[in-house]
Order: sequence, then C-alpha cells, then structure tokens
Amino acid sequence: NAGVTQTPKFRILKIGQSMTLQCTQDMNHNYMYWYRQDPGMGLKLIYYSVGAGITDKGEVPNGYNVSRSTTEDFPLRLELAAPSQTSVYFCASTLDRDTEAFFGQGTRLTVV
Amino acid sequence: QQQVKQSPQSLIVQKGGISIINCAYENTAFDYFPWYQQFPGKGPALLIAIRPDVSEKKEGRFTISFNKSAKQFSLHIMDSQPGDSATYFCAARKGGADGLTFGKGTHLIIQP
Repeated sequence: NAGVTQTPKFRILKIGQSMTLQCTQDMNHNYMYWYRQDPGMGLKLIYYSVGAGITDKGEVPNGYNVSRSTTEDFPLRLELAAPSQTSVYFCASTLDRDTEAFFGQGTRLTVV
Repeated sequence: QQQVKQSPQSLIVQKGGISIINCAYENTAFDYFPWYQQFPGKGPALLIAIRPDVSEKKEGRFTISFNKSAKQFSLHIMDSQPGDSATYFCAARKGGADGLTFGKGTHLIIQP
C-alpha cells in the first residue's frame, strides 16, 4: 500500500516554463488536496477536490490549475512558472472530510 | 489574516522534559484541530487530533489541551526524546471540504 505518491521529487524550472506535478493515491480516498509549503509559513491550500470531476480553489490558487478525471489522480499544473512559485508542494488525501489527511513526500520546485 | 497562530517558532528542550507548543485560532467555525509532525524531507504526518467537544486528549506521550472559550489549544510532549526532534504544525478545519488551515510551525529540538 503506497499511500500518496508524488512525482517528481525535485525539479528546476526556468521562468515561463510549464510543468505538471503528479499525485496519485491508492487508498480510494474521495478528497484530495494540493498545498504549498514555504519556509516559516506553514502549508497553504492551493486547490482541492471532493471527487472525480469536481475541483475548487483554496487560499492561493493563482498561477495553478488542477483536474480530477479519476479518483486516484490529482495533477497540479503550472502554466507559466514564476520565481514566486518556488516552494515545496504537498499532495494529500482523505477518505472524507472528517478523517485523517495523508500526505505525500512532496515535490521541491525551484523556478529560476 | 492569519487564522491559526502558533508559538513558539522554535523550541529547545532537554531529553526527558516537557515540550509545549501553543496555538490560537480566530474562526469559531473550526471544528477539528489536528497536530502534524514533519521530519526533514518528508510530508507531514498526523500525530493527534481533537474536536471542540472535549477539553483534553491523550495518546501515549502526546496530549492536546483545548480551551474553547479562549480559542486556544496546545500540544504537550511528555518525556521528550531526541527522536521527537521535528517540525510540528497545528491546524484547524471548518465545516465543508476546504482543507486545513495550518499554523506556521514550531521547530523542536530535543537535546540528549
């Protein structure tokens, strides 16, 4: 049972490039989330999904897009990378809103 | 507006001592208060959580104290061990599925 798997673990992007951060979970969880973690700032919610085909914005959605075509996968898309998007990105999932959130290992992204 | 305020930012405790981390929240709609533990290079992992209908919850060496009227909650780590050295985040969630609001984190060091 792998839990929540994120790829890649590290990535360096040039300004203006695009990329997709992958997230997949094998726990059949309905709810999935993307957070970013900046030094000394805790984690901030970017986007979330309550099920396949349903997504919604979190606290800091600008510059990102998501899709949820299956229960298992919740990719995060950066279209025009900016230095302000340098961060560690975490994907998480929960069975429902009242249960424990499981986090992936994170993707460390640097935009130069 | 920071909805969950966490203190201290860093904490050094001697082995065997008690580590105490405090959080305060503003939104009375919050109904779930977890604490997460994060080791370097890893994603956060749930440590212990409490709901506002109880004032204290204990799991092994870890205790959450919750004061609803003061809108404060705290994590106590008894008999602190070097393996407890990590970053700790308090968080809160309100009704709905819009994820967790995190504090900024406390970097805890347990000195042997």
